[in-house]
Amino acid sequence: DIQMTQSPSSLSASVGDRVTITCRTSQSISSYLNWYQQKPGKAPKLLIYAASSLQGGVPSRFSGSGSGTDFTLTISSLQPEDSATYYCQQSNSTPYSFGQGTKLEIK
Amino acid sequence: EVQLVESGGGLVQPGGSLRLSCAASGFTFGSYWMSWVRQAPGKGLECVANIKQDGSEEYYVDSVKGRFTISRDNAKNSLYLQMNSLRAEDTAVYYCARGPARANAFDFWGQGTMVSVSS
Repeated sequence: DIQMTQSPSSLSASVGDRVTITCRTSQSISSYLNWYQQKPGKAPKLLIYAASSLQGGVPSRFSGSGSGTDFTLTISSLQPEDSATYYCQQSNSTPYSFGQGTKLEIK
Repeated sequence: EVQLVESGGGLVQPGGSLRLSCAASGFTFGSYWMSWVRQAPGKGLECVANIKQDGSEEYYVDSVKGRFTISRDNAKNSLYLQMNSLRAEDTAVYYCARGPARANAFDFWGQGTMVSVSS
């Protein structure tokens, strides 16, 4: 099974900051990496698929990059509504595993 | 509008059984893989099971193999998860999700149904 390592586990940033979350996989997954946002009490929401493709309706301040084993999610200018937990997920092979999550708080 | 509505959760004793359902609408259900993803209280996400469009392929995480069965009824636009021999560690919110879809991502999710396993 592919192991996921996401960092940091939590961070606090100010409105307007540039924020980066990283995800590393235990073996190469090409570009089969997706990012989700989850707010408390809500279902996860797909933000980025195939490492860098923006899901429809997602603000352009969200972007993803990487391939192989190292990936990043970047929020270019943090907004108050971005307070949430973010998960990466590999979709290269079953079981489709998730990272442990990054809790993002707004200062 | 894509909608996924789960039902069937509740409190069950260890060793008991429960059947979850997911009613799908707003898309051609039979054209998509479907999955169940769970989240234990305060924990991360875990993909439990996936099923191919025609039901001919199924995948399970090791921790539920032999105890859980995913199935679907394309005529009823419905997805199911039969859960037997339930354990305390199965306590979680169970989400129905469309996918693996494009790039094998889960592109739509239901609101979830809570399963609590306790005596």
